[in-house]
Amino acid sequence: EIVLTQSPDFQSVTPKEKVTITCRASQSIGSSLHWYQQKPDQSPKLLIKYASQSFSGVPSRFSGSGSGTDFTLTINSLEAEDAATYYCQQSSNLPFTFGPGTKVDIK
Amino acid sequence: QVQLQQSGPGLVKPSQTLSLTCAISGDSVSSNSATWNWVRQSPSRGLEWLGRTYYRSKWYYDYAVSVKSRITVNPDTSKNQFSLQLNSVTPEDTAVYYCARQNSGWDSWGQGTLVTVSS
Repeated sequence: EIVLTQSPDFQSVTPKEKVTITCRASQSIGSSLHWYQQKPDQSPKLLIKYASQSFSGVPSRFSGSGSGTDFTLTINSLEAEDAATYYCQQSSNLPFTFGPGTKVDIK
Repeated sequence: QVQLQQSGPGLVKPSQTLSLTCAISGDSVSSNSATWNWVRQSPSRGLEWLGRTYYRSKWYYDYAVSVKSRITVNPDTSKNQFSLQLNSVTPEDTAVYYCARQNSGWDSWGQGTLVTVSS
């Protein structure tokens, strides 16, 4: 099973600040890495697919990069509505696995 | 736009069977490009993929090893939906259960169902 680790676990950020979240896979997964945003009592929402492809309708301040084992989600100019938990997920190998999440809080 | 609507009981007794259904609108369960998945989320386990079904000239099924002996995911083409059955549940199966479509990323999710296993 591929294990995904995320850092940091928690980040408190002021609006307009830049946020960087990293996800590391226990073995190479190519570009089969996706990023989700989840707000309390809501389902996860796809932000970035295949490491760097923006999903339709997602604000351009969200971007992704990386390949192999190291990936990054960047939120440029954070807005208050971006307060949420962010998860990475791999779809390279079964079983599909998720990272433990990074909670982003607004100061 | 694809929408997934979940239904099923929120309370299941230990040793009984958890059954949930995910009704699909805007796509077909028989799609040749999508897969149909069940995921659960709990504080102790985080987000955990449970299983999937998909159609590529025939039906395929994949399950997580952790639940493989207890799980069935079935498509229902007549109702355009798919279901989850998890047998012999214990309190450790208490979680929010989601259905989700994978079609170049997991782009559509159900609303989630909190299932509590308790007598």
